[in-house]
Amino acid sequence: DIQMTQSPSSLSASVGDRVTITCQASQDISNYLNWYQQKPGNAPKLLIYDTSHLETGVPSRFSGSGSGTDFTFTISSLQPEDVATYFCQHSDNLPPWTFGQGTKVEI
Amino acid sequence: QVQLVESGGGVVQPGRSLRLSCAASGFTFSSYALHWVRQAPGKGLEWVAAMSYDGINKYYADSVKGRFTMSRDFSKKTLFLQMNSLRPEDTAVYYCAREKIIATLKGRFDSWGQGTLVTVSS
Repeated sequence: DIQMTQSPSSLSASVGDRVTITCQASQDISNYLNWYQQKPGNAPKLLIYDTSHLETGVPSRFSGSGSGTDFTFTISSLQPEDVATYFCQHSDNLPPWTFGQGTKVEI
Repeated sequence: QVQLVESGGGVVQPGRSLRLSCAASGFTFSSYALHWVRQAPGKGLEWVAAMSYDGINKYYADSVKGRFTMSRDFSKKTLFLQMNSLRPEDTAVYYCAREKIIATLKGRFDSWGQGTLVTVSS
């Protein structure tokens, strides 16, 4: 199974800061990497799929990059409503489709 | 709009069974693969099971293989997860989720229900 290692596990930043989260896959997953946002008490929400494609309606301050085994998720200017836990997840080929451990973003 | 509504969670003793349901609306039910994803209290996300749009192909995580069975009723637009031989480590919020792209099974979850809590405890 492919393991996803996400870091950091938590971070605290100020409004307007640039925030970066990394995700590393245990093997090459091409660009099959997705990012989800989960706010407390809510279901996860797909923000980015296939490394860099924003879901409809997702603000452009969110972005993703990478390929192979190393990926990055960026919030260009952190907003109060971005407080959440963010998860990476691979969607390479067949299951199991594993998630990273999550990054809790606070202000 | 796409809506997924889970039900059937509750408190159950170890070794017993439970069946979860997920009622779908707002999209063509027979055209999309569906998944179950769970989240233990305070923990991360774990993909549990998937079923192709036509119900033919099913996949399970090793942690539930042989104990959980996924099915879907096309006439009622409802997804099910039959959970047998439940263990304390199965305690989690169970979400159903829709595959993002029609007629594919790629592990991209673009719509989620609100989840239903399953607690396995004596």
